[in-house]
Amino acid sequence: EVQLLESGGTLVQPGGSLRLSCAASGFTFNSYAMSWVRQAPGKGLEWISYISATEGDTWYTDSVQGRFTISRDNSENTLYLQMNSLRAEDTAVYYCAKDVCSGGSCYLDYWGQGTRVTVSS
Amino acid sequence: QSVLTQPPSVSGAPGQEITISCAGGSSNIGADYDVHWYQHLPGTAPKLLIFGNNNRPSGVPDRFSGSKSGTSASLAITGLQAEDEADYYCQSYDSNLSGSVFGGGTKLTVL
Repeated sequence: EVQLLESGGTLVQPGGSLRLSCAASGFTFNSYAMSWVRQAPGKGLEWISYISATEGDTWYTDSVQGRFTISRDNSENTLYLQMNSLRAEDTAVYYCAKDVCSGGSCYLDYWGQGTRVTVSS
Repeated sequence: QSVLTQPPSVSGAPGQEITISCAGGSSNIGADYDVHWYQHLPGTAPKLLIFGNNNRPSGVPDRFSGSKSGTSASLAITGLQAEDEADYYCQSYDSNLSGSVFGGGTKLTVL
């Protein structure tokens, strides 16, 4: 059974930093790309970052480019999201998800339950 | 504002059929990138409903179906049930953004 368990979400002040983790199990982690998706209060889903299976390729949406860094430890089956210079608009539930990619396009076949990040003073 | 446009809300009575549209453009759906659909109940993990335009993952009832034509796609739900009340999102790749995007989401209300 595929399981994705996010952790690390908390209340943080504007300008602060936070690292989210996602522990994966039930599949061959190093064979799949992974992504982070967030949902701000009252808003829709937003795909914010992607990392290929072997870390050779990463992508960020414009709003987090230069502030967030996605990484993975394939020996520990764990995905990370380092978030710096946090802003109020980064307040959201953050989901990690497993990618299935074909022909340059991906979809997310398994998702975690999410971890809540609140940026406020 | 997403490059994939969905109606904010749709509604239907139990047993009826509804469709949710997803309008894109020449850099996403119209560029022949696949469209995928997700169901999201508040407080839970989003669930993959349709992948590759019209394929259902194991366990998804055949009441759910997807289609794609030109620069648009649609999700159809037949035999509406109370448990179908949720938010639904389309998703595709956009070449201008060099990444995947979700539609704005559609809230389905079962009357």
